[in-house]
Amino acid sequence: EMQLVESGGGLVKPGGSLRVSCAASEFTFSTYTMNWVRQAPGKGLEWVSSISSSGRYRFYADSVKGRFTISRDNDKNSLYLQMDSLRVDDTAVYYCARESGVTSADLWGRGTLVTVSS
Amino acid sequence: QSVLTQPPSASGTPGQRVTISCSASNSKIGRNTVHWYQQLPGTAPKLLIYSNNQRPSGVPDRFSGSKSGTSASLAISGLQSEDEAEYFCATWDDSLKGWVFGGGTKLTVL
Repeated sequence: EMQLVESGGGLVKPGGSLRVSCAASEFTFSTYTMNWVRQAPGKGLEWVSSISSSGRYRFYADSVKGRFTISRDNDKNSLYLQMDSLRVDDTAVYYCARESGVTSADLWGRGTLVTVSS
Repeated sequence: QSVLTQPPSASGTPGQRVTISCSASNSKIGRNTVHWYQQLPGTAPKLLIYSNNQRPSGVPDRFSGSKSGTSASLAISGLQSEDEAEYFCATWDDSLKGWVFGGGTKLTVL
């Protein structure tokens, strides 16, 4: 069964750093654009970042630009999000999502919770 | 403030037909296709409708989508208790190079 499994979430202080990961299985990871989408507690969905299949192209939401870095390792079937200068309002469940050929998110992980608090 | 506007809540009784709207504040929806996601309580979102009106394999035909101009709609017919969830519309933003989501509609089955 195709699957995405996030890990690495936790509690971090404002200004701190954290790296979350997403492990893909049972599909050809290297051929898909991948994304991070977050959801603050009780709130809606917010697109965070995307990376092309080769890793050449990376895009970010204005709210995280300059603080977050998306990357991938196609040999390890893994996606990463390095989060620096974290703020309280970055607190959210972070989902990795596979992008289909028609720009929908056709496969989601279960998410990992990142809590930024002093 | 989402650029895609959805009603915050909707409700219906079992067997009824319910419609959830999604309207764009600009021409975003007009240019690109709309997708719908279902998020059951405590779970990750799941793709429900893609490219305005296409259902992924496994999604019942009780769910349908449509788009006209800068508005889109999700219709659920024969409402069931397991349809109680939050529903999000989304589209691709060419300038952002990413997705924009509606604020979500919480559907209650009475």
